[in-house]
Amino acid sequence: QKEVEQDPGPLSVPEGAIVSLNCTYSNSAFQYFMWYRQYSRKGPELLMYTYSSGNKEDGRFTAQVDKSSKYISLFIRDSQPSDSATYLCAMRGNSGGSNYKLTFGKGTLLTVNP
Amino acid sequence: NAGVTQTPKFRILKIGQSMTLQCTQDMNHNYMYWYRQDPGMGLKLIYYSVGAGITDKGEVPNGYNVSRSTTEDFPLRLELAAPSQTSVYFCASRPPTGLAGGRGTGELFFGEGSRLTVL
Repeated sequence: QKEVEQDPGPLSVPEGAIVSLNCTYSNSAFQYFMWYRQYSRKGPELLMYTYSSGNKEDGRFTAQVDKSSKYISLFIRDSQPSDSATYLCAMRGNSGGSNYKLTFGKGTLLTVNP
Repeated sequence: NAGVTQTPKFRILKIGQSMTLQCTQDMNHNYMYWYRQDPGMGLKLIYYSVGAGITDKGEVPNGYNVSRSTTEDFPLRLELAAPSQTSVYFCASRPPTGLAGGRGTGELFFGEGSRLTVL
């Protein structure tokens, strides 16, 4: 079983739709959970970050972490064509070597159609 | 503010050639990383460094070497290039845990990438 599983898509939605992106993981030591957004031919940039379980909201974006199920989600409300990108989940532990390194999912390619 | 700068942006190599991908950051970050990204495969960690003079292997280090003589620079060396090394390479940096970097703890700041083709 891979440490982090993410459906690569592609996912295509109409403008204004609610988008749900998900990752599952197997390493119970993971404590920090992040979502990166990567536009075509650019480097990833941090979109959302959450420590441990719970929800975090930032504008149209909501990140959820359920550590009991080892499942994280990113919701995008009122999606816009400018949200078209690849979304990568990432996570890391809190001590030792796991503190230094992020483990990434494969990324989900999202297209929002006008 | 430059952030993380990678050069070159594009390069074509012949099998067996060698080259160095340059990475420099101006944020005084201790931690630096090299990832490769292949289509549909996400980011794979090649090497990382927790400070000047300290480097360690990631998931896919074979065929690569790194050095970290200064805080700012973290070059990646490809020896005897092979077609399997055709990829997009990303350098990243982050401050030590506990120091706010942007909007989160342990946030990675990425460069724009270097596209390498080995023919």
